[in-house]
Amino acid sequence: EAGVAQSPRYKIIEKRQSVAFWCNPISGHATLYWYQQILGQGPKLLIQFQNNGVVDDSQLPKDRFSAERLKGVDSTLKIQPAKLEDSAVYLCASSLGWTSGEQFFGPGTRLTVL
Amino acid sequence: GQQVMQIPQYQHVQEGEDFTTYCNSSTTLSNIQWYKQRPGGHPVFLIQLVKSGEVKKQKRLTFQFGEAKKNSSLHITATQTTDVGTYFCAGRAGNTPLVFGKGTRLSVIA
Repeated sequence: EAGVAQSPRYKIIEKRQSVAFWCNPISGHATLYWYQQILGQGPKLLIQFQNNGVVDDSQLPKDRFSAERLKGVDSTLKIQPAKLEDSAVYLCASSLGWTSGEQFFGPGTRLTVL
Repeated sequence: GQQVMQIPQYQHVQEGEDFTTYCNSSTTLSNIQWYKQRPGGHPVFLIQLVKSGEVKKQKRLTFQFGEAKKNSSLHITATQTTDVGTYFCAGRAGNTPLVFGKGTRLSVIA
């Protein structure tokens, strides 16, 4: 079974630039999550999708972050414009359902904002 | 909002010693999950606990869920170098999203 795919793996940009991350979840997984993990901290949920609908985006900085999952499969997360404090690893995860136990994480995208 | 706290933040042990990390929630949880993240890697699911007072074992790892469903622990017996990594607990209250603790980073000295 293929795991969660993410790209790019690394990205370096300057502040005020824009960046986009892509995620392809495990086939058949209805729920997709985007997390931000700052060095030394646990993953922080940014947005959760159930199929192509948003379940929770309460911690997404909507003035600069956006995410979509148009066909209920893969997803993109965009930051525009980026700030220095956005430097982090962005993890995508998926699970069979909203209340399903296990979340499967992708390898993450390490973003550095200079 | 819901908070999940973990202690200690760091733990250094000699190989063969035991290790325990503790997790406390500000609210009663419907379930708690544990994940392990190796250095440079991504979180990998270890286990989910659902019932009050539940105890589950995976080889040298023992997981407990408190009677009040507000705390949990992970105990590793006779640590090995392969146990190195950061262990996260993540709790869910009702139908709210999973909230991760800051993790406990385990170093094992051979």
